[in-house]
Amino acid sequence: AQTVTQSQPEMSVQEAETVTLSCTYDTSENNYYLFWYKQPPSRQMILVIRQEAYKQQNATENRFSVNFQKAAKSFSLKISDSQLGDTAMYFCAVLETGSARQLTFGSGTQLTVLP
Amino acid sequence: DAGVIQSPRHEVTEMGQEVTLRCKPISGHDYLFWYRQTMMRGLELLIYFNNNVPIDDSGMPEDRFSAKMPNASFSTLKIQPSEPRDSAVYFCASSLSIYGYTFGSGTRLTVV
Repeated sequence: AQTVTQSQPEMSVQEAETVTLSCTYDTSENNYYLFWYKQPPSRQMILVIRQEAYKQQNATENRFSVNFQKAAKSFSLKISDSQLGDTAMYFCAVLETGSARQLTFGSGTQLTVLP
Repeated sequence: DAGVIQSPRHEVTEMGQEVTLRCKPISGHDYLFWYRQTMMRGLELLIYFNNNVPIDDSGMPEDRFSAKMPNASFSTLKIQPSEPRDSAVYFCASSLSIYGYTFGSGTRLTVV
């Protein structure tokens, strides 16, 4: 079974600065996908970025990018030019590509962007 | 597409009452998932369906919980009888490919 660990319950960053959220995971599969989801106060779960484990190139999506270290099973999220609207809970998640389609989440990191 | 639609958005009920949560997945998606979110336990998978068939219900807490998917466009999660510890946000999500799920807005359930 896969597990996901987010060791930073809370973080803050000044507007326009850069922040990195950490995530480590464990899986017995060789093929899997990794995701970051954002949950603002509206509680909607919003997909921020995804990474296929077989791809060495780190995924980027506008101001969001990841640092994927497969051997270390690490998947951090970097937010550049932070904006007030980035304030949210961020969840890291892993999805194995075998028969089980379960998306397993970490405990989340509450990010606050300060004006 | 309107996305995954859940109803109601909020539900307050008395202990012992039956509660039914509803979900309409995105048209064409063949997987549907029910998650529960609490402060103590985070996001937990309760059950998921593939082509309307329940595949894994090992996350369902106890027999008071049941889920159905009578067709590709509708699913329900029922709690009978409800208890205060069932208070949580319940999410429905659907997917077609491996590229992540699309979540509904969730139902906040409060059992008093």
